[in-house]
This record gives sequence, structure tokens and C-alpha cells, in this order.
Amino acid sequence: GAVVSQHPSRVICKSGTSVKIECRSLDFQATTMFWYRQFPKQSLMLMATSNEGSKATYEQGVEKDKFLINHASLTLSTLTVTSAHPEDSSFYICSANRRAGDTEAFFGQGTRLTVV
Amino acid sequence: AQSVTQLDSQVPVFEEAPVELRCNYSSSVSVYLFWYVQYPNQGLQLLLKYLSGSTLVKGINGFEAEFNKSQTSFHLRKPSVHISDTAEYFCAVTPGAGANNLFFGTGTRLTVIP
Repeated sequence: GAVVSQHPSRVICKSGTSVKIECRSLDFQATTMFWYRQFPKQSLMLMATSNEGSKATYEQGVEKDKFLINHASLTLSTLTVTSAHPEDSSFYICSANRRAGDTEAFFGQGTRLTVV
Repeated sequence: AQSVTQLDSQVPVFEEAPVELRCNYSSSVSVYLFWYVQYPNQGLQLLLKYLSGSTLVKGINGFEAEFNKSQTSFHLRKPSVHISDTAEYFCAVTPGAGANNLFFGTGTRLTVIP
């Protein structure tokens, strides 16, 4: 199967600082990766679609200047939470498809972000 | 727009008993349906999916689900659960081809009691 690795799995940061989360496809190339956020007892919500070599596509209501996405290579996408605040505390998870139109998405293990 | 409802946030069940995790969806277009499982400290893993054809879908680890278009449901079942099935289960839909834009339910925590 395809493996997606996300790092770190947990991070605690101070309010006002920035945090970078990495999502790597370990054994396949992913032209597209997806970033989700999950608040306690709520659904995973798609935040943005990360496209290799081009700008990310953000879902309505997601601040692109706050959640910076960079997809610099076919195996790595990063999500940077800038000037984090306690309300940004959440579970962030990425996924990738092996091929465009593939019906199965492969997920990372998620990152628990706590902003204090 | 699509939405997914998982009515049961937690389901405790004794080992070797049957279990059903409920999922209902709403959509104005045809959808593909998925069940994912998340074990502690791990990513989401695909259990099974319905794209077309037979409405009864079999997945990994002895799980199966039945697509019911008239009731807009896609309930997950297993005839006999094991301790190792303790995990969080997510139902998801996507409109059309590909796994883009997955819409997830809030998840059901299955706890298998010895």
C-alpha cells in the first residue's frame, strides 16, 4: 500500500508563533495532497488542496495567509500555521492520492496542535 | 452540497458480538461512499468503499457495508468483533470520481469490551 507520513504527531507552541507541519508520501509521488482539520467531536473538514508546483486551493472560510501551504516537490507538502492562537488548536491531517482520479486517499497519522 | 451523519458517537460492544455503525448522507448528486478506520495514534485507513454495482460491499478485517439509496444510508457491520477492532470509524462521501473533497461524518468510537 501507499504510505503517507506526517510530522510532527504532536506539537505545543506559544501564542503568536508559527508552526510547520510536514506531509510526505513515502513510496509514491503525489501531485495533489489535501489538508484537513478536525475540532473535538466534529468532522474532518477539508481546508485546502495542495498542488505541486502551483498555489494551493483553499476552501471557503479558510484564511490562506494564516495557513500557508507549500507543495515544493512530488513527495512533500507543508502546512504552516502562522501567528498561531489558541483557537487554532486542533487536529490537522493530510492525505494524498497516488493518481489523479484515484478513489482511495491515503492519510497521514495527523498532527495534534495545541497553542498555549 | 454533501453531508454525512454518524448518529452514534460511541458504541460499546462485547467481544464476539455483532456490531452496526450507522451512516446517513445527503447529496443532490450521486456519490461515492467510504468507511475509514483510525487506530490510536495512526492515520486513517480505508476499510471499504462503494462506487457502483453491488450494494453490499465487503472490506478488510471482516467488515461489510450496504448502500441503500432510498434510505441514503451506508451502515457498517461486522458479525463478530474483536478487541483489535477498537478504534474510531469515519464514514465519508465524495461527489463524482476521485477521492477529492471528502466529506466526513463526526466519527464513531467503537470500543470492544472483553
